[in-house]
Amino acid sequence: GAVVSQHPSWVICKSGTSVKIECRSLDFQATTMFWYRQFPKQSLMLMATSNEGSKATYEQGVEKDKFLINHASLTLSTLTVTSAHPEDSSFYICSLQEFYGYTFGSGTRLTVV
Amino acid sequence: GQQLNQSPQSMFIQEGEDVSMNCTSSSIFNTWLWYKQDPGEGPVLLIALYKAGELTSNGRLTAQFGITRKDSFLNISASIPSDVGIYFCAGRYNSGNTPLVFGKGTRLSVIA
Repeated sequence: GAVVSQHPSWVICKSGTSVKIECRSLDFQATTMFWYRQFPKQSLMLMATSNEGSKATYEQGVEKDKFLINHASLTLSTLTVTSAHPEDSSFYICSLQEFYGYTFGSGTRLTVV
Repeated sequence: GQQLNQSPQSMFIQEGEDVSMNCTSSSIFNTWLWYKQDPGEGPVLLIALYKAGELTSNGRLTAQFGITRKDSFLNISASIPSDVGIYFCAGRYNSGNTPLVFGKGTRLSVIA
């Protein structure tokens, strides 16, 4: 299956700052990537669908101006958490769909202090 | 967002025992997937199911796609300590580039 590289693995930032998370497809050209958020002891909840060369599609309740998604190439999608607050602290995971199914990145643990 | 009904939420079993967990949905799915997630990591695919009635094995793991297309189960035989983790079912309604819907997970603990 495809290999997905997600960086950083963890990040601590101050409240009010912005954080960028990268999701790279190392061996597959992904026109679509998905971003999920997972709170402790909970399931993965879809935040948005990232489309290469066009605007992302956000799930209901997800603020598009707060969670900026850019999918400028077939191998890179980025999620920027703008003006982060403690309630944005979570585990963020990207995913792509390829022939064998869905592959996930290793996740980014964001802690906002 | 929507979620699948996954049970049980957690299980404590003795090493060597068999484990069974299942997922149900009110909607028909055309794909069922089972993932395992270790702490601080992304989910890793265990088994993918694409046809109603399909029964697929991966080592000690066996999963089935329900005939009604609204349910799936995962069995783990002869559990070992490294089976510890959270198991998620996931489904997809449509074909094409559509996201997965996840169950709430089953937290498995294996007592040696």
